[in-house]
Amino acid sequence: EPEVTQTPSHQVTQMGQEVILRCVPISNHLYFYWYRQILGQKVEFLVSFYNNEISEKSEIFDDQFSVERPDGSNFTLKIRSTKLEDSAMYFCASSNQRGQGALNTEAFFGQGTRLTVV
Amino acid sequence: AQTVTQSQPEMSVQEAETVTLSCTYDTSESDYYLFWYKQPPSRQMILVIRQEAYKQQNATENRFSVNFQKAAKSFSLKISDSQLGDAAMYFCAYRSALGGGSEKLVFGKGTKLTVNP
Repeated sequence: EPEVTQTPSHQVTQMGQEVILRCVPISNHLYFYWYRQILGQKVEFLVSFYNNEISEKSEIFDDQFSVERPDGSNFTLKIRSTKLEDSAMYFCASSNQRGQGALNTEAFFGQGTRLTVV
Repeated sequence: AQTVTQSQPEMSVQEAETVTLSCTYDTSESDYYLFWYKQPPSRQMILVIRQEAYKQQNATENRFSVNFQKAAKSFSLKISDSQLGDAAMYFCAYRSALGGGSEKLVFGKGTKLTVNP
């Protein structure tokens, strides 16, 4: 069964450093997302990406964050200068169609990257 | 903006019994999707069941079923014949059907389900 793959599973970084979280979405999917879950809290939307551009972003997704699809398979989230409060689980998700039909809009999640900023 | 509320931070159930997890949501939209996701200790998000708002029939997926009350904006999850492997965090989520960029999932805070042997 196809799946979304995220690397690394756990990353520890020093405050102020740049980190890149990587995701390989399901191959025929066209819509990509990043979500964040601070420990013990709910899952929060960060950004959605379609046709090589951001389609929607949340207030959390400020200038320190960026996303990129550098080739046909990877989807990355970059945090330019990490802060302690960026420590969280980051989930990548993908889906193959927008709009009508729940079956086509199901978002498949990766296993997450646990980011720890020290 | 849409909101999703899960009023039960924690629930417990005996193995083989039935448990219902509550979820309410707030929206002004008429067409949308609702989902229940399971997050086991591994922390991966796994889709359990989904419901399209325009469908009156409640979704069922093996031991999992929902009670969708559109007028009341309620979407509860029933787990029958609970198994030890059902122990996890359960998140209710909303997604607009409008398209045009409103594709994000809005999650509730989650309910931690414990299954007792």
